[in-house]
Amino acid sequence: AQTVTQSQPEMSVQEAETVTLSCTYDTSENNYYLFWYKQPPSRQMILVIRQEAYKQQNATENRFSVNFQKAAKSFSLKISDSQLGDTAMYFCAFMKHVGNQFYFGTGTSLTVIP
Amino acid sequence: NAGVTQTPKFRVLKTGQSMTLLCAQDMNHEYMYWYRQDPGMGLRLIHYSVGEGTTAKGEVPDGYNVSRLKKQNFLLGLESAAPSQTSVYFCASSDPLLAPGSTDTQYFGPGTRLTVL
Repeated sequence: AQTVTQSQPEMSVQEAETVTLSCTYDTSENNYYLFWYKQPPSRQMILVIRQEAYKQQNATENRFSVNFQKAAKSFSLKISDSQLGDTAMYFCAFMKHVGNQFYFGTGTSLTVIP
Repeated sequence: NAGVTQTPKFRVLKTGQSMTLLCAQDMNHEYMYWYRQDPGMGLRLIHYSVGEGTTAKGEVPDGYNVSRLKKQNFLLGLESAAPSQTSVYFCASSDPLLAPGSTDTQYFGPGTRLTVL
C-alpha cells in the first residue's frame, strides 16, 4: 500500500520570504508520479507542480520548486517570494504508474503573513 | 470550457435519505474519480471509472454507488445516508497515464459539502 505523510499540519511565512513544505511517502513501486496541490478557501483543488519519479531533475514552476529525493522517498515543496494569495491548504499526492489512482497526504495549512 | 463541474454545491440530508451527486467534465477525459475530504484525513478515493460503462472501488467505497453511463458524467449515489457520510465530496477527471497529449494530472471540481443529520 502507498502512504503519503505530511508532518506539518500548519505553517506560516512572512510575505516575500521562502517556505518549504515537507512530504514523505512509502511505496514499493519504482515508477510513479508525485504532485503538490493547492486548496484555497474556495475549496477547489489546483495543481501546483508535478514530478516524474524517473526524472532526476527537480521540477520548477515559477516561484514553486521541489526537492525530490527518491532514495529517501522525500518530496518537499519550496515556495519563493511568498504572496498573500499563496495562503491555502497544500496537499502532497502520489500516483502509481498503473491505474491513475491518487493517494493524498493530510495536508499542510500555509498562512502568508503581510 | 468549464472543466469539471459538480451539482449540487451544498446539501443537507436526514439519516436514511438518498441522493445523487452529479459530476460532469468537458475535457473528454477517460478517467473520473470521486473523493471525500474529511478534516485531518486528506482526500480518500471512493470509486473511480476508467471509461464509459466501467466503475471500480477505491479506498472507502462502502455506502456509495456510482455509475458512468456517459463518458462526460460520473454519478455518486448514497442510498441510505448516514452521519458518517458528512463530508466534502470532490470529483476529478484525467487522461490515462502516458496517453498522447496527457498531462498525467487530475482536474478537480469545486466540491460538494454534504451534511447528514
